[in-house]
Amino acid sequence: QSVLTQPPSASGTPGRSVSISCSGSSANIGNNPVSWYQHVPGTAPKLLMYAYNQRPAGVPDRFSASKSATSTSLAISGLRSEDEAHYYCAAWDDSLNGVVFGGGTELTVL
Amino acid sequence: QVQLQESGPGLVKPSQTLSLTCSVSGGSIATGDHYWTWIRQPPGKGLEWIGYIYYSGRTYYSPSLWSRVSISIDTTMNRFSLELSPVTAADTAVYYCARRTYHTTGRFDTWGQGTLVTVAP
Repeated sequence: QSVLTQPPSASGTPGRSVSISCSGSSANIGNNPVSWYQHVPGTAPKLLMYAYNQRPAGVPDRFSASKSATSTSLAISGLRSEDEAHYYCAAWDDSLNGVVFGGGTELTVL
Repeated sequence: QVQLQESGPGLVKPSQTLSLTCSVSGGSIATGDHYWTWIRQPPGKGLEWIGYIYYSGRTYYSPSLWSRVSISIDTTMNRFSLELSPVTAADTAVYYCARRTYHTTGRFDTWGQGTLVTVAP
């Protein structure tokens, strides 16, 4: 059972948009920045978003994030086949005194 | 551009010690903003943070693993290491080393390719 809750799967068609949620608490998302990672099995995970809505160089602006009190969402617009991957959110948890990950969401581009 | 590479045995016997090293190239490990991290992914499961170390030697461990884990750093060799003991089959996973920029507000911005460690007799 992950501290951060994500839906196990999501799907969308090419060109459309999809959103992946990540729900936590005041000990983590409510008080610390969230980062998102894209992971294609067999490869190294890749940083996608950090500090809630900052993109590293090279990440297209099709990826964005939003935040409410204790949850955050990753939005992907203009879906492409190469977006098929597992997506993870992560944040520092003040109660556990450590980094916590969501359980991951497998995105399928139909 | 910093690159990380894991190395170590791919097979460890139950009750023994898992030992991995992460070699850092393209930049110094002794920098003030970075924390050198181990993360794992058991087969069919999600990512799990194991812990990280600052260049000073200060460590931060997962509450669920702290009694069995040790992370050390060698700034002269520009590498850091993981020891996990004793291991069980549940420790079978792909182990990644990564660089975290900043502590509680940070992110894992550089990752190694990962190495599969199997715990079996």
